[in-house]
Amino acid sequence: GAVVSQHPSWVICKSGTSVKIECRSLDFQATTMFWYRQFPKKSLMLMATSNEGSKATYEQGVEKDKFLINHASLTLSTLTVTSAHPEDSSFYICSARDRGGANVLTFGAGSRLTVL
Amino acid sequence: QKEVEQNSGPLSVPEGAIASLNCTYSDRGSQSFFWYRQYSGKSPELIMSIYSNGDKEDGRFTAQLNKASQYVSLLIRDSQPSDSATYLCAVSPYGGATNKLIFGTGTLLAVQP
Repeated sequence: GAVVSQHPSWVICKSGTSVKIECRSLDFQATTMFWYRQFPKKSLMLMATSNEGSKATYEQGVEKDKFLINHASLTLSTLTVTSAHPEDSSFYICSARDRGGANVLTFGAGSRLTVL
Repeated sequence: QKEVEQNSGPLSVPEGAIASLNCTYSDRGSQSFFWYRQYSGKSPELIMSIYSNGDKEDGRFTAQLNKASQYVSLLIRDSQPSDSATYLCAVSPYGGATNKLIFGTGTLLAVQP
């Protein structure tokens, strides 16, 4: 089945630094990937839709200059949290759909970000 | 604002019983419906998808959809302790293959051995 690899699985950084999270589709091409954020005991909230070769589409309330998304190839999307602050600490999860396969999303394993 | 509502639980059932998880959604135009299971600290994994009214069965799991009532449910028969997790209802407001999902807050299921 479709596999989405997400890296790193966890990261701790100092306030003010930037952190990059990678999301790769390993055995399929993904023209669209989705980035979600999940706070403790809360549900997944869609942050943005990453489109290969074009600008990401951000959900209302998500700062595009703070959460930079790049989808440079059909198998890789990256999320960069710029100038991270403690309130950005969260579980970030990417997902992708195999455009040649079933109409369902496959999720990455998630990246837990802790900003000190 | 499009919403997906779930009872947060916890829903506690004894081992071997049927667990019933419920979900309502606000967007009447929603096309696709999904149930995901999420263990603590892990990412969601797909359990069931359902697109048309009625029941859909897969092993111990049965999804039920009623678009008129804007209601979708998941039944788990012969519940096992390993089924203990948070179950997320997700709804796609679009038809086709966009798959932009709106998630509910999840229901925590605890199966007691």
